[in-house]
Amino acid sequence: ETGVTQTPRHLVMGMTNKKSLKCEQHLGHNAMYWYKQSAKKPLELMFVYSLEERVENNSVPSRFSPECPNSSHLFLHLHTLQPEDSALYLCASSPGQGRYEQYFGPGTRLTVT
Amino acid sequence: DQQVKQNSPSLSVQEGRISILNCDYTNSMFDYFLWYKKYPAEGPTFLISISSIKDKNEDGRFTVFLNKSAKHLSLHIVPSQPGDSAVYFCAAISNSGYALNFGKGTSLLVTP
Repeated sequence: ETGVTQTPRHLVMGMTNKKSLKCEQHLGHNAMYWYKQSAKKPLELMFVYSLEERVENNSVPSRFSPECPNSSHLFLHLHTLQPEDSALYLCASSPGQGRYEQYFGPGTRLTVT
Repeated sequence: DQQVKQNSPSLSVQEGRISILNCDYTNSMFDYFLWYKKYPAEGPTFLISISSIKDKNEDGRFTVFLNKSAKHLSLHIVPSQPGDSAVYFCAAISNSGYALNFGKGTSLLVTP
């Protein structure tokens, strides 16, 4: 596998379910990101991890809980979501050390029923 | 408050011609600008970037121009190919932050 991978690609969950999104980067990057893309809106940054430490949390509700066990893996744990949380969730990674380009995974299309 | 704006939601260009995609920004603290290409049901793909200390960067058929005084950048694709048809996003970041600020995208259609 190369680049940034995300699983699952599609997820349908009820409001009382608990699920997790997984992201893995094979690029040796130092930083990882979760973004949310809703219809007709720009990409919204949710969380940033740099060297496995969370460095940014953009006022995301606590029903979204990130986890970064190592520099290659990033999870987004979901619980008691709302229908308005339905969106495309994108993971990205970047090299760090003065290089700003972020490389995105294919995304998880989440539908909350 | 949208700090990066792409005012043209769509653009149609004939194959072989030049495609010019435009982007404006409001935050003078941005240090780095990037262009991404996105196909439906896929994540954005990084295309090309430019530092604020430069005014041009070229990579194959893609050239990005930066006009700092006008807070404007553009992506030129020459010659355009049907496979270039996608949504193009402009993004900007300051070197003190982590967040890429994205525009809403311009949908490019290259017709044969």
